[in-house]
Amino acid sequence: KAGVTQTPRYLIKTRGQQVTLSCSPISGHRSVSWYQQTPGQGLQFLFEYFSETQRNKGNFPGRFSGRQFSNSRSEMNVSTLELGDSALYLCASSLVAGGPNGYTFGSGTRLTVV
Amino acid sequence: SQELEQSPQSLIVQEGKNLTINCTSSKTLYGLYWYKQKYGEGLIFLMMLQKGGEEKSHEKITAKLDEKKQQSSLHITASQPSHAGIYLCGARFGGSARQLTFGSGTQLTVLP
Repeated sequence: KAGVTQTPRYLIKTRGQQVTLSCSPISGHRSVSWYQQTPGQGLQFLFEYFSETQRNKGNFPGRFSGRQFSNSRSEMNVSTLELGDSALYLCASSLVAGGPNGYTFGSGTRLTVV
Repeated sequence: SQELEQSPQSLIVQEGKNLTINCTSSKTLYGLYWYKQKYGEGLIFLMMLQKGGEEKSHEKITAKLDEKKQQSSLHITASQPSHAGIYLCGARFGGSARQLTFGSGTQLTVLP
């Protein structure tokens, strides 16, 4: 069974640009969550989508947005990139949010803003 | 996250030694998840604990949940170099919570 697929794996962008990251969950999983990981702040929750609806949002500015498609694939978008947005962005999928089988994480997208 | 404190921050052990990592919550836990991460990569799910006193094992790794102390411990028996990595605990706070709040992680190095 295929795992969670995140594309691209690496990305270099210039300050002020925008970026779109993609996440394909495990087949049958309807919940997709996004996290940002930095050395200073650790792993922080961005948002969670279930059945194409954003169900929960973390404490991030409006420059961070996302969406989920009918096939459960999800994208997150960051507009007007800042140097501080450089991070590893991880997505996680689960059958249902908070389920007993845990959340399966992808390998992440390493975003570098220069 | 200050809501979830992990200790120690880093650990260096000789191969074959046992070790314990702790995760203490300042809030009521509705689920405690343990993950392992190789630097710069995704998280690998290890175990999830929900009930006080619950204990789960996978190969040489055992995790326990102490509900009274709002604390979980991860114990590795006879460590191997393959156990090296960053161990993260994540928690759900609230029965309807859909996201995980993570601790800052424990960097484990196993010397051959």
